[in-house]
Amino acid sequence: KNQVEQSPQSLIILEGKNCTLQCNYTVSPFSNLRWYKQDTGRGPVSLTIMTFSENTKSNGRYTATLDADTKQSSLHITASQLSDSASYICVVSDRGSTLGRLYFGRGTQLTVWP
Amino acid sequence: EADIYQTPRYLVIGTGKKITLECSQTMGHDKMYWYQQDPGMELHLIHYSYGVNSTEKGDLSSESTVSRIRTEHFPLTLESARPSHTSQYLCASSSGTGSREQYFGPGTRLTVT
Repeated sequence: KNQVEQSPQSLIILEGKNCTLQCNYTVSPFSNLRWYKQDTGRGPVSLTIMTFSENTKSNGRYTATLDADTKQSSLHITASQLSDSASYICVVSDRGSTLGRLYFGRGTQLTVWP
Repeated sequence: EADIYQTPRYLVIGTGKKITLECSQTMGHDKMYWYQQDPGMELHLIHYSYGVNSTEKGDLSSESTVSRIRTEHFPLTLESARPSHTSQYLCASSSGTGSREQYFGPGTRLTVT
């Protein structure tokens, strides 16, 4: 069964600190993995995308890693800001359909305190 | 920022009413999707469309229906709303084949009393 699991479920950090979010998946055949940021009451917005051959991708203060062998990914946020408070969702796509089916994790709810 | 719009953003309605959630995109994307999301839970695909006059049911069973008469428009209708339909509904679109990025609208928060 294709699944995406994220940890921790929620996280509180102080402004300026770093944090790392985890994602494990069982989606097969694997196409790519994206991290989305979803602000409260908004739709998800893509932060990074990684294919099978990529093991790290950065977008500003966000750095994602991928280990396709162990089917794990992480999202590292550096020097957190108040605006980083959001849900971070790991999304894995399979390459077995023309639709490009997405499998979503439940997200990690990050709260950054001043 | 993606050009995909949803209206209304918030809707509180009584049981038994018929409602239509609107979704429009100006990117010319052929594929469009509707997801349902409850607080703290993952997004579930309830409907999708490959293009005009194409609609399919997703993974999560839903009493809603959709139509795709125009490329840019993908409305979702509930004939008789119930409290169990209370949820957030997200519309998305993508282009091309395979696992291209899906762009999401801001969502509609539906509450059925």
